[in-house]
Amino acid sequence: KAGVTQTPRYLIKTRGQQVTLSCSPISGHRSVSWYQQTPGQGLQFLFEYFSETQRNKGNFPGRFSGRQFSNSRSEMNVSTLELGDSALYLCASSSYGTENEKLFFGSGTQLSVL
Amino acid sequence: AQKVTQAQTEISVVEKEDVTLDCVYETRDTTYYLFWYKQPPSGELVFLIRRNSFDEQNEISGRYSWNFQKSTSSFNFTITASQVVDSAVYFCALSEGDSGYSTLTFGKGTMLLVSP
Repeated sequence: KAGVTQTPRYLIKTRGQQVTLSCSPISGHRSVSWYQQTPGQGLQFLFEYFSETQRNKGNFPGRFSGRQFSNSRSEMNVSTLELGDSALYLCASSSYGTENEKLFFGSGTQLSVL
Repeated sequence: AQKVTQAQTEISVVEKEDVTLDCVYETRDTTYYLFWYKQPPSGELVFLIRRNSFDEQNEISGRYSWNFQKSTSSFNFTITASQVVDSAVYFCALSEGDSGYSTLTFGKGTMLLVSP
């Protein structure tokens, strides 16, 4: 079974631009979560989607948004990029609501904002 | 508000030593879940264990063991006879009952370096 796939692996943007990151969950998983990892703040929850609906949202500004498609693939978008948005963005999928529910993470997208 | 504290930023040991990673949590919920994840240099977080607040039984899985004590709000992780492949960053995490297993509050992580 293929794992969680995130693309691209690395991204360089400049301040003010916007960026879209993509995540393909494990086949059969309908829940996708996004996390931001920085050296200063550590791992922070961004949002979770289940069956195309946002189920939970973390404490991030509205510049951070996401969506999930009918095939469970998910994208997150960051508009008007700031230097502080430089981070590793991790996507995770899970079989929400099942006995063995747990998060499976991808390798992340490393975003650098210059 | 929920919080997870991993006081040890970095631990260095020599192969075959035992090592314990500490985790202290704060929550007002009576139903919550505790997790440990491992992050190797490749970046993806690997699930190690989940424990719910009603199950204080300690768990052993091979060289790994976990000690959950509600009285001290701690969920410590011990690696017995450490190996070089155990070198990674280890995260303790917490989720509260109504937010499910996907909305995790992570500690800052403990980097474990095991040298030969």
